[in-house]
Amino acid sequence: DVKVTQSSRYLVKRTGEKVFLECVQDMDHENMFWYRQDPGLGLRLIYFSYDVKMKEKGDIPEGYSVSREKKERFSLILESASTNQTSMYLCASSSYRDRGYNEQFFGPGTRLTVL
Amino acid sequence: AQRVTQPEKLLSVFKGAPVELKCNYSYSGSPELFWYVQYSRQRLQLLLRHISRESIKGFTADLNKGETSFHLKKPFAQEEDSAMYYCALRRIQGAQKLVFGQGTRLTINP
Repeated sequence: DVKVTQSSRYLVKRTGEKVFLECVQDMDHENMFWYRQDPGLGLRLIYFSYDVKMKEKGDIPEGYSVSREKKERFSLILESASTNQTSMYLCASSSYRDRGYNEQFFGPGTRLTVL
Repeated sequence: AQRVTQPEKLLSVFKGAPVELKCNYSYSGSPELFWYVQYSRQRLQLLLRHISRESIKGFTADLNKGETSFHLKKPFAQEEDSAMYYCALRRIQGAQKLVFGQGTRLTINP
């Protein structure tokens, strides 16, 4: 019963390439998130979306943009990939209907390597 | 600024021994705190939340506002507890965003 899916588990790109990471959830959640997961740094929020076409910067938005054209899909875009964007990227979703518990449901992650 | 600190990157204990994963937070308001866990080759998932006052897989965590801590405890560790653990803080006034700590990798030795 997979609920949050990410388009790729592993991705290798070259410096300067435009990279798209896709995330889809089937739980009708309003909120979707993109995080970076790096050893010793934990999870850091890149961008957050609370509704279709709405987005909010997280703690480390530089070098990234996002798109949410449909409720179930949230895309992370690296306009010009750089080696310091090599990381594990996690997508998550949550709902206001979750009685305030704020549980976030995570995807399996995309490990991106930029050469 | 809101911040979550997990002082131990790595923690190793023997099976059957007590486990305590430390979490300290800084937040001026009334926080909501959570523990998330990631087992090997599995996705990150919620373990427990302080408002539920529940015990999950033998783990408990008590919010200590005086010490601004939310340590995760288990009296007798099991090998299947080996995982990466993240403490997280919800900003009550904000939307649905969480602030995560740096994570602690727990290894249970047989």
